[in-house]
Amino acid sequence: GQSLEQPSEVTAVEGAIVQINCTYQTSGFYGLSWYQQHDGGAPTFLSYNALDGLEETGRFSSFLSRSDSYGYLLLQELQMKDSASYFCAVRDQSGNQFYFGTGTSLTVIP
Amino acid sequence: KAGVTQTPRYLIKTRGQQVTLSCSPISGHRSVSWYQQTPGQGLQFLFEYFSETQRNKGNFPGRFSGRQFSNSRSEMNVSTLELGDSALYLCASSLDGSLAGVNNEQFFGPGTRLTVL
Repeated sequence: GQSLEQPSEVTAVEGAIVQINCTYQTSGFYGLSWYQQHDGGAPTFLSYNALDGLEETGRFSSFLSRSDSYGYLLLQELQMKDSASYFCAVRDQSGNQFYFGTGTSLTVIP
Repeated sequence: KAGVTQTPRYLIKTRGQQVTLSCSPISGHRSVSWYQQTPGQGLQFLFEYFSETQRNKGNFPGRFSGRQFSNSRSEMNVSTLELGDSALYLCASSLDGSLAGVNNEQFFGPGTRLTVL
């Protein structure tokens, strides 16, 4: 199976930059995805890294390094509405099932 | 295009009962996955259906089962409910999502909040 670890909580100031890390132990996966979930809401897709390197989507960027078993989500110009939980996720190649990380609760303060 | 819908949104049951939850995927999506979300365990994969067949299964007991219909709508059933089954059950649909290199974006429904008393 897969194990994806994330920091449980992160607090950052509005307008700042924050990085949410995801470290994993895996035997093989197709790519690393990131999802955002607001309290009481459904997870929504943010980004996907099929290959190593940086993917940029507006204020959000995501990075993957398979050799380091590590990825991160970078949020720039933080806004209050970015306060939410963030999950990394992979789909493994052997069983083809999805695994989600432990989740990071981000709080943006004024 | 309408999003993923789940019914009911809230459900209260007692131990020993059984429950059926329903999920309607986005039109054209053939893959439907189910997840259990709890504060302690996070998001855990239950199973995935594709073209009416269970394609993948997570590590849950046989009390958890599901099926998919020809129109891609899916149901999951939990029999002999236990207190620990109290959770948010999320359904997610995707076009296919099984191919290497393909963006594995899943679209989640709002979930069904199940409380077992």
